[in-house]
Amino acid sequence: GEDVEQSLFLSVREGDSSVINCTYTDSSSTYLYWYKQEPGAGLQLLTYIFSNMDMKQDQRLTVLLNKKDKHLSLRIADTQTGDSAIYFCAESTQGYQKVTFGTGTKLQVIP
Amino acid sequence: DGGITQSPKYLFRKEGQNVTLSCEQNLNHDAMYWYRQDPGQGLRLIYYSQIVNDFQKGDIAEGYSVSREKKESFPLTVTSAQKNPTAFYLCASSPGQGAPGDTQYFGPGTRLTVL
Repeated sequence: GEDVEQSLFLSVREGDSSVINCTYTDSSSTYLYWYKQEPGAGLQLLTYIFSNMDMKQDQRLTVLLNKKDKHLSLRIADTQTGDSAIYFCAESTQGYQKVTFGTGTKLQVIP
Repeated sequence: DGGITQSPKYLFRKEGQNVTLSCEQNLNHDAMYWYRQDPGQGLRLIYYSQIVNDFQKGDIAEGYSVSREKKESFPLTVTSAQKNPTAFYLCASSPGQGAPGDTQYFGPGTRLTVL
């Protein structure tokens, strides 16, 4: 079955860039997503990328996709304390609405 | 404001009791989903519904039941058959019908604790 893997924890200093990595196994994945979850809250969609794209940028967020290696990353520029949260990578295959989520990466921003 | 609401935010239940978690959306989305989240784990799909009066089991449906009588509502019942029900439950919805990306939007969650 599909599998999405992420490292569990990342710590960065305020103002530095954060890079959160994700690998997936399903080569037919069409859409790849990044969600943010703050403590005790639901998931908030940050961005998504279609599998025929290599990169997508949205303000401080940059998503890079290496389809050959099935590797997705999320770069947060100028990381702020408000960025502290759990970040989930997810993938889905067009025509099938099931989304597979990774285990989440907890980002800790040190002031 | 459009969105997804879940109630209650916190729920306590005695062992052996059934309990129903509410999920309502006013986004006019066709598809709705229930996930379970445990500490240090990703989201696991319990049930999903692509259209009114129809739903399918997800990866961990045992001990749970759902109904989809209205487009806006997708309640989840945690039955006494669920062996380890203490968890954070998330409801989501998406436009469905093969919409591009078919992005899922999440409610704020319900934390269920079995005493």
